[in-house]
Amino acid sequence: AQSVTQLDSQVPVFEEAPVELRCNYSSSVSVYLFWYVQYPNQGLQLLLKYLSGSTLVKGINGFEAEFNKSQTSFHLRKPSVHISDTAEYFCAVSEYGGYNKLIFGAGTRLAVHP
Amino acid sequence: KAGVTQTPRYLIKTRGQQVTLSCSPISGHRSVSWYQQTPGQGLQFLFEYFSETQRNKGNFPGRFSGRQFSNSRSEMNVSTLELGDSALYLCASSRVGATDTQYFGPGTRLTVL
Repeated sequence: AQSVTQLDSQVPVFEEAPVELRCNYSSSVSVYLFWYVQYPNQGLQLLLKYLSGSTLVKGINGFEAEFNKSQTSFHLRKPSVHISDTAEYFCAVSEYGGYNKLIFGAGTRLAVHP
Repeated sequence: KAGVTQTPRYLIKTRGQQVTLSCSPISGHRSVSWYQQTPGQGLQFLFEYFSETQRNKGNFPGRFSGRQFSNSRSEMNVSTLELGDSALYLCASSRVGATDTQYFGPGTRLTVL
């Protein structure tokens, strides 16, 4: 079975500052890794995903994440945040060959202040 | 290209009733997954359908069921509603498998009184 731990429930940051949202996972099998964002009263939108290959993954809206197999981590970063980045961010995994079953972390609320 | 649509967007039911939620996937997508989102339990996988067959199932009681039609549209049904079933129910569609991006709909907000 897989599990995902998002280490911070809330992250406050000032506009134009860098941010890192942390994600660790546990699995006995190989997994795919994802970051999703949810804006108020909306569904989830994919920011980026790691399937294989280069461990540094670039996504939409200037976000990137690095897969670290030895530390079983997949932290999300952005060098300079905007007010519009205020949202809930979810890290998720799915098992190789496990079709479309996503296991989500509890989420991190990013609050960007002016 | 139209996104994933879910109907209705909001629903209020009373305990003991049953409810049916609908999801229309993106054109060409054959996989539809359902998730329940609550403040206490977060996002939890309910089930996934592909080509009218349930391919994967989460850890939910038998009161939660679903189906998929030949046009890939999907419905989920919850019978004998409980207060704890109040949640945002999200539907996601993708082409085929786990490497394909899942696109989420806006969700159906179910309130059980």
